[in-house]
Amino acid sequence: GESVGLHLPTLSVQEGDNSIINCAYSNSASDYFIWYKQESGKGPQFIIDIRSNMDKRQGQRVTVLLNKTVKHLSLQIAATQPGDSAVYFCAERASSNTGKLIFGQGTTLQVKP
Amino acid sequence: NAGVTQTPKFQVLKTGQSMTLQCAQDMNHEYMSWYRQDPGMGLRLIHYSVGAGITDQGEVPNGYNVSRSTTEDFPLRLLSAAPSQTSVYFCASSRPGHGKETQYFGPGTRLLVL
Repeated sequence: GESVGLHLPTLSVQEGDNSIINCAYSNSASDYFIWYKQESGKGPQFIIDIRSNMDKRQGQRVTVLLNKTVKHLSLQIAATQPGDSAVYFCAERASSNTGKLIFGQGTTLQVKP
Repeated sequence: NAGVTQTPKFQVLKTGQSMTLQCAQDMNHEYMSWYRQDPGMGLRLIHYSVGAGITDQGEVPNGYNVSRSTTEDFPLRLLSAAPSQTSVYFCASSRPGHGKETQYFGPGTRLLVL
């Protein structure tokens, strides 16, 4: 069946360093992926997305990389700040008709001052 | 726009009680969904709707009912609450097929079933 997972439950980085959060997915037919950020006590918030016809997409301080060969997705955060501390989820679109998403379990990013 | 709103923010129920979690969006989004979030489990889809009058089951639908009589509202009903339904519930909406299929999430409802 479909599943989306993250490699590490917790990632701890020093403020100012770059962070890399990884995600593996199993459905090779998936064509759309999203990264969400969830701060404590809040709902998930959209960060960046990527379609399967791309292998890289950049936003402000964030970059998403997609490797369809090994079904791997990563989120890179440049110059990590204390405000980046949160749980990060990758999500995979299960069906283009319904908008249904399957979420991974999440990686907690801890930024040390 | 208020975005996606959910009420109540927090609720305590006794086993066997029923209740409705409210969700509303003012963005004219066709797609709406309900997720539950448990520690270490990520978000799991309960039910979703691709438009008014249309609903379908997600990954964990048992014990929950939904209806979609209007585009704006998508209530989630717990028929007979069980301790296993203690969780945080998130409602989300999006407009599939319009370029950005981002789901916008509400602030969540924390439910405790005793």
